[in-house]
Amino acid sequence: EDQVTQSPEALRLQEGESSSLNCSYTVSGLRGLFWYRQDPGKGPEFLFTLYSAGEEKEKERLKATLTKKESFLHITAPKPEDSATYLCAALRGAGNMLTFGGGTRLMVKP
Amino acid sequence: AAGVIQSPRHLIKEKRETATLKCYPIPRHDTVYWYQQGPGQDPQFLISFYEKMQSDKGSIPDRFSAQQFSDYHSELNMSSLELGDSALYFCASSLSTPDTQYFGPGTRLTVL
Repeated sequence: EDQVTQSPEALRLQEGESSSLNCSYTVSGLRGLFWYRQDPGKGPEFLFTLYSAGEEKEKERLKATLTKKESFLHITAPKPEDSATYLCAALRGAGNMLTFGGGTRLMVKP
Repeated sequence: AAGVIQSPRHLIKEKRETATLKCYPIPRHDTVYWYQQGPGQDPQFLISFYEKMQSDKGSIPDRFSAQQFSDYHSELNMSSLELGDSALYFCASSLSTPDTQYFGPGTRLTVL
C-alpha cells in the first residue's frame, strides 16, 4: 500500500540550529514529491517540487533533496519566522491526488 | 502574482443544511482540486477536475458534489451537513498534472 510518513512529528530548534526533516515514501509510480509550509488556519504554501532521485532544490534557508525512498528538507540557521508545519506529499500513478505524510511541526525559539 | 481565491472564508451552518463553497483558480490553470482538512490532520483529497470534467475522485461523501464551470471556477456543494463535516476546505489549482498544486486560503466550515 502506498504510504508517506514524516518524521519527527514535532521539532524544537534554537535560532541558528540547523536540522533536517524526513519524508519517507513507498509509492508506486511516483510522479512528484512536493514540500509545503502551512501556518495555522492557512492554506499550504508551496515550497518545492522534486521529480527524480538525486534532484535538489534550494530557496533561502531551505534545501530539499530526493532519493528513491525518502526526501529531506534541510533548514540552515533557522529563524523564528520559519516556525510552521512542513508537509510533504506524493503524487503517484495516474491520479491527481496528493498523499500527505502527516507533517512536521517546527518551532524555532529565539 | 495571482493566487487561488476561495469564498466564503468562513461559513457557519446548522446540521442538515446545505453549503456551497466557491473556488477561483489561478489564471490559465486548467485543473482544480478540493481537499478537506480536519483539526490536526493532513489535507484529504476529495475530487478534481480537468478542463471541466471530473478527473479523479477521492474520499468524497455522496452528500457532496462538485463541478467546474466554463470559466474554470469550481463549486463544492455539500448537503445534509453533519457535525463531522466541520473542517477547513481547500481548493488548489495547477496547470495540468503532474504540475505543482497551489492551494487557496481555505474555507472554514463550522456545522452546529
